[in-house]
Amino acid sequence: EVQLLESGGGLVQPGGSLRLSCAASGFTFSSYEMNWVRQAPGKGLELVSYIDSNSGRTKYYAESVKGRFAISRDNAKNSLYLQMNSLRVEDTAIYYCARDHSGWSLDPWGQGTLVTVSS
Amino acid sequence: QSALTQPPSASGSPGQSVTISCTGTSSDVGAYNYVSWYQQHPGKAPKLMIYEVSKRPSGVPDRFSGSKSGNTASLTVSGLQAEDEADYYCCSYGGRNFYVFGTGTKVTV
Repeated sequence: EVQLLESGGGLVQPGGSLRLSCAASGFTFSSYEMNWVRQAPGKGLELVSYIDSNSGRTKYYAESVKGRFAISRDNAKNSLYLQMNSLRVEDTAIYYCARDHSGWSLDPWGQGTLVTVSS
Repeated sequence: QSALTQPPSASGSPGQSVTISCTGTSSDVGAYNYVSWYQQHPGKAPKLMIYEVSKRPSGVPDRFSGSKSGNTASLTVSGLQAEDEADYYCCSYGGRNFYVFGTGTKVTV
């Protein structure tokens, strides 16, 4: 069964850091582009970051997180990461990892991990 | 990059049909046949329902269908069932912006 499992969320003060992880199973992780998508409480979906397959050389960041967040992957460990620094209150959201599917779509999604930035 | 525009809400009775629109620009929806739709129940992760405008992943009922005309894509749910009550998000490939999501539509059955 194809599965994605996020971890690493929690409560952090403004200006703090967190590292999210996404463990993949049931498919050849190195063959797929991967993404982090977030959803603020009661709000819609927003692509946070994208990384290409295998080499991980191509990366994308939303303007709102550029320079503060860094996406990476370890294909040997079937894992995706999101290092989040200089966190702001507005970064509070559920963070989902999602695999690229055919034709620029996302499937499956993990269950999400909640990041709360508050003093 | 602005979000794609969806109506905030839509509704229908069981057995009826509902259509949700998703309006973008010539840089995203109008430029590529890479529109996808996601269903999200409260407290759950989004689920892919339609990709490449009108294709259904295996396991998605054929009551769900997608189409596109110009800069506007649409999702139609026919034969509405109680379990179709959820939030629906469209998404388009946006070139250098990769994935651009819609504002979301709450469907009430």
